Amino acid sequence: DQQVKQNSPSLSVQEGRISILNCDYTNSMFDYFLWYKKYPAEGPTFLISISSIKDKNEDGRFTVFLNKSAKHLSLHIVPSQPGDSAVYFCAASAKAGGTSYGKLTFGQGTILTVHP
Amino acid sequence: DTAVSQTPKYLVTQMGNDKSIKCEQNLGHDTMYWYKQDSKKFLKIMFSYNNKELIINETVPNRFSPKSPDKAHLNLHINSLELGDSAVYFCASSPRVKGTEAFFGQGTRLTVV
Repeated sequence: DQQVKQNSPSLSVQEGRISILNCDYTNSMFDYFLWYKKYPAEGPTFLISISSIKDKNEDGRFTVFLNKSAKHLSLHIVPSQPGDSAVYFCAASAKAGGTSYGKLTFGQGTILTVHP
Repeated sequence: DTAVSQTPKYLVTQMGNDKSIKCEQNLGHDTMYWYKQDSKKFLKIMFSYNNKELIINETVPNRFSPKSPDKAHLNLHINSLELGDSAVYFCASSPRVKGTEAFFGQGTRLTVV
């Protein structure tokens, strides 16, 4: 039962253009969402997060959008750079009382390749 | 000045052996975790400790036993290793139980032969 899904295994983008990575979730108890970036042979690195009380959070080139009614979040990277090439994971954690409380539930990741 | 460090980075061992993976964080965080990334690249939580107390224990065989001697350390001991245990194991820590990001170690690639 995959509660967090990233349906695009890979995404290829030209340098300077926008990268949009998508994530869907099913557990209505999730109230905090995160994006992580992972390079080969390294651990995931936190990128940006958003609480369910917001619908947008921005940090430099990275913006996360949350659509609670659709149970969907997306990560926008503008402009994309070759150094952004990595695996991107979305993750979610639940409010107290949920079975997911206290842990991050991850999607399966999307491989982003930014071409020069 | 590594924030979350795991040792060893690579571990190759035979079936039936017992092995341990060590994890230390110097961030002063209260909560530590073990995650497993399987061959399909899914990252799934195994255990979580808060102030040395076990708070999450997912459906993990009891051959896996976490040990937290203090808040800064969470070690993972695995008994009677099986082929299916081959995976990358990540340790992580966070300032509190939820509502915050977790910081990950570089991972330990375990190969059981």
